[in-house]
Formats: sequence, structure tokens, C-alpha cells
Amino acid sequence: AQSVTQPDIHITVSEGASLELRCNYSYGATPYLFWYVQSPGQGLQLLLKYFSGDTLVQGIKGFEAEFKRSQSSFNLRKPSVHWSDAAEYFCAVVRYNNNDMRFGAGTRLTVKP
Amino acid sequence: DAGVTQSPTHLIKTRGQQVTLRCSPKSGHDTVSWYQQALGQGPQFIFQYYEEEERQRGNFPDRFSGHQFPNYSSELNVNALLLGDSALYLCASSFFPQGGGEQYFGPGTRLTVT
Repeated sequence: AQSVTQPDIHITVSEGASLELRCNYSYGATPYLFWYVQSPGQGLQLLLKYFSGDTLVQGIKGFEAEFKRSQSSFNLRKPSVHWSDAAEYFCAVVRYNNNDMRFGAGTRLTVKP
Repeated sequence: DAGVTQSPTHLIKTRGQQVTLRCSPKSGHDTVSWYQQALGQGPQFIFQYYEEEERQRGNFPDRFSGHQFPNYSSELNVNALLLGDSALYLCASSFFPQGGGEQYFGPGTRLTVT
């Protein structure tokens, strides 16, 4: 079955520390990959996406993600976290020529001062 | 440039009633998708509309139906509401109907069924 797994439900990091949020997917072929962020009471904002090409993609707000085909992973990273990064982060995938975007359960990020 | 807008923001309904949620896509977009996000979960795909037709549907019962208008705006209708329908309903718009098109999300409509 096609699925998206975010193993970490909740992560707490100190402001200024580095961050890595994990995402694994299970699909028949390499899908299109996305990371979204959701602040409380808000919709989802796209951070970055991977369609093809360079496996390291840069996004907004200083985020980047690396696609690793061999591990079926698309982990999100940020070298230095800011207090404003506290939010819920969702990994999402969609197959080529398909409209059903599948989301992981999300990882809630708390930033300590 | 207005992004995706949704109305109403919040809604409280009683079990068995019917509800209609509305979405206006981002300017230039012609495709609208609807998602249900239960508390503590990721969004789940309900269906997508393009050219006023339902193009693809997720694993949701026929109680969930939709419509797209010539101006690309869309409605989500849910009949015979159940307590389990309480969720945040998100609308997303995009330009490409095919998979991979970047989707822009609205702020959502919070539906509470009592």
C-alpha cells in the first residue's frame, strides 16, 4: 500500500540548533515529494518540493531537503532553528499523473528559547 | 493577489444535517482539491475538480460531493453528517490537473458536528 511515514510525532529543539525531520514513503516509483508547514489555525504553506534532478532541494525560510532513492526518504533540514519555526510539518507525496496527494501524520516542532 | 479563500471559517452542525463549504482558488488556478484533516492527523484527499468535473476521488463515501463553477470556485457538500465528520476541511488550488502540480492551500473551514 502507498504510504507516507513521519516517524517523529513531536520534536523539541533549542533555538539556534540544527533540525532534521524524517519522512519515508512507500510507492511503486519515485513520486513527487513535498514538505508543508502548518501553524495553528492556518492552512498549509509549501516549504519545498522535489520533482527530479538535484537530490538536494532548497526551500523557503532556510529549509532544505534531501531525496534519497535508496532509502525512500525525503528528510527536511535546517541548520539553525528560529523560534518562529515552531509549527506542524507535513511530508506529502503524489504520483506522476495522479491527483491524490498523500500526507504523513505530521511532526510537531517545539522550539525552546 | 488573493490566495485561496474559504468560507465559512467555522461551522457547527448537528448530526444528520447537511453542510456546504466554499472555496475560491488562487488567481490563475483552474483546479481545486479538497482535503479533510482530523485533529492530530495529516490531511486526507477527498476529491479534485477540473473543468467542472470530478477528476479523482479519495476513499470517502458518497455523502461527500462537490461542484466546480465556471469561475473555478468550488463547493464541498456533506450530507447526513456524522460526529466523525468533525474536522478541518482544506481547499487547495493548482494550475495543473495532473499529479505533481504545486498546490496552494486555503486556511480551512473548521466543522464541528454535535
